[in-house]
Amino acid sequence: AQSVTQPDIHITVSEGASLELRCNYSYGATPYLFWYVQSPGQGLQLLLKYFSGDTLVQGIKGFEAEFKRSQSSFNLRKPSVHWSDAAEYFCAVGTLSGYNKLIFGAGTRLAVHP
Amino acid sequence: GAVVSQHPSWVICKSGTSVKIECRSLDFQATTMFWYRQFPKQSLMLMATSNEGSKATYEQGVEKDKFLINHASLTLSTLTVTSAHPEDSSFYICSVGQQETQYFGPGTRLLVL
Repeated sequence: AQSVTQPDIHITVSEGASLELRCNYSYGATPYLFWYVQSPGQGLQLLLKYFSGDTLVQGIKGFEAEFKRSQSSFNLRKPSVHWSDAAEYFCAVGTLSGYNKLIFGAGTRLAVHP
Repeated sequence: GAVVSQHPSWVICKSGTSVKIECRSLDFQATTMFWYRQFPKQSLMLMATSNEGSKATYEQGVEKDKFLINHASLTLSTLTVTSAHPEDSSFYICSVGQQETQYFGPGTRLLVL
């Protein structure tokens, strides 16, 4: 069955520190992978996506993610975190069904210390 | 990507009343929209897939008579929570499917008293 695992429920980093959020997926074929960010009380904003090609993808707000097929992972990274990055981050896999449904991970809540 | 709006952004209603939430695709003609429900500090749960001009496809366990979905045009889908009860209080988010990517609205917070 298709699934997405985000092992870290809550992460706290200092402003200016580097960040890596983990995401592992289970899917039978080459997946479509997404990272979304949600600020409190808001909808989800697409950070980046991977469909094919270069396994290192760049997104908005200075984020990047690397697809590693051998590890079934799609970890999100940022070299220097800003206080405004504090939010909930969701990894998702596209099911490639007729309606392209998404399966979401449980989310990782990021707190940023000044 | 597609720009999506929702209305209202929040609503408070009495138990037993019905509430309609609108989801609009502002710059893209969407044949497919999705409705999600999100409980506090939890992930998104897909409720149904809304298809323009046809019946919505509901996920297992979602009561179709409770959560009525209408997708009458390529820019508008509505979710009506019928006979709302306090347990229906939640954050409802819609999204628009643009090829393989979904773009989300800002969400609607529903509180049923």
